Amino acid sequence: KQEVTQIPAALSVPEGENLVLNCSFTDSAIYNLQWFRQDPGKGLTSLLLIQSSQREQTSGRLNASLDKSSGRSTLYIAASQPGDSATYLCAVRLFGNYGQNFVFGPGTRLSVLP
Amino acid sequence: GAGVSQSPSNKVTEKGKDVELRCDPISGHTALYWYRQSLGQGLEFLIYFQGNSAPDKSGLPSDRFSAERTGGSVSTLTIQRTQQEDSAVYLCASSLPDSGWGYGYTFGSGTRLTVV
Repeated sequence: KQEVTQIPAALSVPEGENLVLNCSFTDSAIYNLQWFRQDPGKGLTSLLLIQSSQREQTSGRLNASLDKSSGRSTLYIAASQPGDSATYLCAVRLFGNYGQNFVFGPGTRLSVLP
Repeated sequence: GAGVSQSPSNKVTEKGKDVELRCDPISGHTALYWYRQSLGQGLEFLIYFQGNSAPDKSGLPSDRFSAERTGGSVSTLTIQRTQQEDSAVYLCASSLPDSGWGYGYTFGSGTRLTVV
């Protein structure tokens, strides 16, 4: 059974710092990995989608890497801003079309202090 | 549409009343998922549609919960005789089906349900 974990559970940093969020998964047989951002009481906003054949994706100040063989992904946020404060979730997509073919991690709650 | 649309964005209802939550997925996305998220908790899978069929209803917590999808598009999640423990944010997501290329999820902004 695929399990996804995220470390740390919570992180507080001063504005301007670069930071790394970690995501681990137990089964390397995945189609892709997706990073999301969630603001309190809101839906999930997709940040980056990495296909299993890719090593990384970049969008603005965000860079996500994927090492499928070791079951790890990192989300790098450069020059953090207070507006980056949110919960960040990673999710892996498994093969097949069924209800729980996306497995989510528990999230990392990020606070960026001005 | 351009994104996944959910309505209403907020719903306050009295215990025992029925509620309907609506999800309008991205045009062409045949896969549709409902989740709920209680305060401070992770995502709880409820039901999955492929087209108008629901091959996976395993996450529905009780027979008070039901969902349907018509025309391969809009889905409605109905909660009958609401209870206070039903209070949560209900999230809908849509995706293209697995066809050999791993498509991602797009989520709606959710419906916050409060049962008083």
